[in-house]
Amino acid sequence: KNEVEQSPQNLTAQEGEFITINCSYSVGISALHWLQQHPGGGIVSLFMLSSGKKKHGRLIATINIQEKHSSLHITASHPRDSAVYICAVSPVAGSARQLTFGSGTQLTVLP
Amino acid sequence: KAGVTQTPRYLIKTRGQQVTLSCSPISGHRSVSWYQQTPGQGLQFLFEYFSETQRNKGNFPGRFSGRQFSNSRSEMNVSTLELGDSALYLCASSLYWGAGQPQHFGDGTRLSIL
Repeated sequence: KNEVEQSPQNLTAQEGEFITINCSYSVGISALHWLQQHPGGGIVSLFMLSSGKKKHGRLIATINIQEKHSSLHITASHPRDSAVYICAVSPVAGSARQLTFGSGTQLTVLP
Repeated sequence: KAGVTQTPRYLIKTRGQQVTLSCSPISGHRSVSWYQQTPGQGLQFLFEYFSETQRNKGNFPGRFSGRQFSNSRSEMNVSTLELGDSALYLCASSLYWGAGQPQHFGDGTRLSIL
């Protein structure tokens, strides 16, 4: 069973700061997902990646398959980025939707 | 294009009852997955349906079941409810069953057991 660890658990930043959230996993994967969850509960899928780097607006996700590690970066953070960010991995065998989740990082961006 | 719709948004039940939750995927999406989120265990995979067939199931007791209809809408049922079943239940849809398909999540159904 894959173990997914996220750090930090909580993060408070000032508006405009560069933010990094880390995720490591213990067993090989077919893909890694970064998800965003707002207080209401709904989840938005930010990135799905299996190698390299992806960028969407102010968000950048990277993955190092050899080191079993991924990072989510937020540039020029804004209070609307405040949310829980969750890392999840898809197994190599079986269904890609049988995700194993990290415990999440609560991000608060202060104006 | 409408997103994934889950109904109801909130539900209160008592121990021993049963409950049915509904998920309507994005139009054209044929794969539906269900997840449970609790403060203690976090997010956990429940099961996945594609073409009206359960393709995978997570480590949950038989009290948790589901089905998918020909229009891809899905329901999950929990029988003999326990206090520990209090959770946010999330549904996600994707176009097909195979790997590499991004998922789109609904806003969830928050179930409280008294």
